[in-house]
Amino acid sequence: QIQLVQSGPELKKPGESVKISCKASGYTFTDYAMHWVKQVPGKGLKWMGWINTYTGKPTYADDFKGRFVFSLEASASTANLQISNLKNEDTANVFCATGGMSPFAYWGQGTLVTVSS
Amino acid sequence: DIQMTQSPSFLSASVGDRVTINCKASQNINRYLNWYQQKLGEAPKLLIYNANSLQTGIPSRFSGSGSGTDFTLTISSLQPEDVATYFCLQHNSWPYTFGAGTKLELK
Repeated sequence: QIQLVQSGPELKKPGESVKISCKASGYTFTDYAMHWVKQVPGKGLKWMGWINTYTGKPTYADDFKGRFVFSLEASASTANLQISNLKNEDTANVFCATGGMSPFAYWGQGTLVTVSS
Repeated sequence: DIQMTQSPSFLSASVGDRVTINCKASQNINRYLNWYQQKLGEAPKLLIYNANSLQTGIPSRFSGSGSGTDFTLTISSLQPEDVATYFCLQHNSWPYTFGAGTKLELK
């Protein structure tokens, strides 16, 4: 069965960087795109963008251009999200999600990123 | 960007009730609409994809309908384990956008 397992919670200071990983199993990694989604605790969800797992090409939503980088370690079936120059408003639960019959069919468990001085 | 207007934002219902949740898109999204259930502290779970297709393993009391701009998620007979937040997602065009969510509680 398709599974996405994300790295653990992170506590960072403003200005620092963080890297979140999402390890996929149960399917051929390059068959489906990997999406990233932000959820501020108690609030709604926002699509951050996606990475083509076959070509490695990332696409960023407008609010996530500049400080956000999607990357792959295809040999390890892992997608990564790096956020640099962290701000308080980056505090959120971040999910990876991939497709099957539909995009966003399967989700990781989420990684809580807390930015606090 | 396509705006997804979800209603109601809060819903209280009794076990056995028929429950409906709506999502309205600001422009035509064909049938590229998914419905999710999210319980506290968990990842979203796909219930319905492409407006009316039931995801494998999801109970048949969940169903979806609609196309174009108006969509509905129906729970035919509410069960206690259905207490959760539900939201829609349009994947017709970038940027993909979500409804704000409907918090469903037991009366």
